[in-house]
Amino acid sequence: DQQVKQNSPSLSVQEGRISILNCDYTNSMFDYFLWYKKYPAEGPTFLISISSIKDKNEDGRFTVFLNKSAKHLSLHIVPSQPGDSAVYFCAASAPGGGADGLTFGKGTHLIIQP
Amino acid sequence: GAVVSQHPSWVICKSGTSVKIECRSLDFQATTMFWYRQFPKQSLMLMATSNEGSKATYEQGVEKDKFLINHASLTLSTLTVTSAHPEDSSFYICSANLGGGNYGYTFGSGTRLTVV
Repeated sequence: DQQVKQNSPSLSVQEGRISILNCDYTNSMFDYFLWYKKYPAEGPTFLISISSIKDKNEDGRFTVFLNKSAKHLSLHIVPSQPGDSAVYFCAASAPGGGADGLTFGKGTHLIIQP
Repeated sequence: GAVVSQHPSWVICKSGTSVKIECRSLDFQATTMFWYRQFPKQSLMLMATSNEGSKATYEQGVEKDKFLINHASLTLSTLTVTSAHPEDSSFYICSANLGGGNYGYTFGSGTRLTVV
């Protein structure tokens, strides 16, 4: 049973517009959520994160929103740029402060069209 | 910044042979390393947690005798896929936590294993 779900395998957005990537989770024990960006044949690189005690975290063009009651989070990228084209993984961490591994979603392939 | 160096980046091997994948932490000591596997269009699935100087902890459904993990030093963890079969073909990635809590995860570049 997948505890972290990214239901959109791919998303196509026009350059300059907003990209919204969604993620749902089922395990209420998760207390920290992270977004990673991944290019083919490379390891994931950290993008942005949010603690479960917050509902929003912003870093430049990237904002993550967390709706704890709905067990839903989203990553907003605005404005979208061609270099944003990649696979984005949502990941969650249970209490342990980094002592355990992460639980990942299947990823969403974001395609930014010129 | 801190880097996890993973080698090889890709490998092709024959069925029945063994393949070793190395992950080294550069500029920091990793008492714990995580090994993930990703099948095409699937999520990264945690296989095992490698602990320096002690036995690895395997996730449910992962055969410990098939995926041998050795973490003999604070900077090196290895994953050996023994008696590889075509179904073991996958993308294997290691990760370490730098100690900054949830901020601290850093990943290797991954190894594409193809078993023919």
